[in-house]
Amino acid sequence: KAGVTQTPRYLIKTRGQQVTLSCSPISGHRSVSWYQQTPGQGLQFLFEYFSETQRNKGNFPGRFSGRQFSNSRSEMNVSTLELGDSALYLCASSSNRGPAKAFFGQGTRLTVV
Amino acid sequence: AQSVAQPEDQVNVAEGNPLTVKCTYSVSGNPYLFWYVQYPNRGLQFLLKYITGDNLVKGSYGFEAEFNKSQTSFHLKKPSALVSDSALYFCAVRDDVSGNTPLVFGKGTRLSVIA
Repeated sequence: KAGVTQTPRYLIKTRGQQVTLSCSPISGHRSVSWYQQTPGQGLQFLFEYFSETQRNKGNFPGRFSGRQFSNSRSEMNVSTLELGDSALYLCASSSNRGPAKAFFGQGTRLTVV
Repeated sequence: AQSVAQPEDQVNVAEGNPLTVKCTYSVSGNPYLFWYVQYPNRGLQFLLKYITGDNLVKGSYGFEAEFNKSQTSFHLKKPSALVSDSALYFCAVRDDVSGNTPLVFGKGTRLSVIA
């Protein structure tokens, strides 16, 4: 079974630009979550999608948005990039059962210059 | 809202010695608890989880964790550390109240095993 696939692996963007990151979950998984990882803040929850609906949302500004498609693939968009948005963005997929473990992709390393 | 605390940013241990990485949590209902490990430039890998039942949970690579409800802790342990265990470890919790709450992570603990 293929794992969680995130593309691209690396991105360099300029302040003020926007960026779209993609995540393909494990086949059959309908829940996709996004996290931002930075050295100082650890892993911070961005949002979770389930069956094309945003089910949970973390404490991030409106510049961060996402969506999920009917095939469960998810995209995350960040508009008007700031230097502080530089981070590793991780996507995780899981089945809908409460105690189900999450499977993570390798992440997208975003650098804003 | 649920939360996780990992009080140590860094843990150093000699190879062959036992290791403990600490984690405490806060939830409204009963917790689902997880440990993940991250190697450089990689995503997170699942180690083990506690749902219910025995307080001692065994996981991958010889790791285990002990659930303590009265102390709201879920410390990760290994009897004999290996240099290859050096990595970043994350504790995570999900509240079972609705089953649809997000998985919340601690800030991580960097484990360094010295030969």
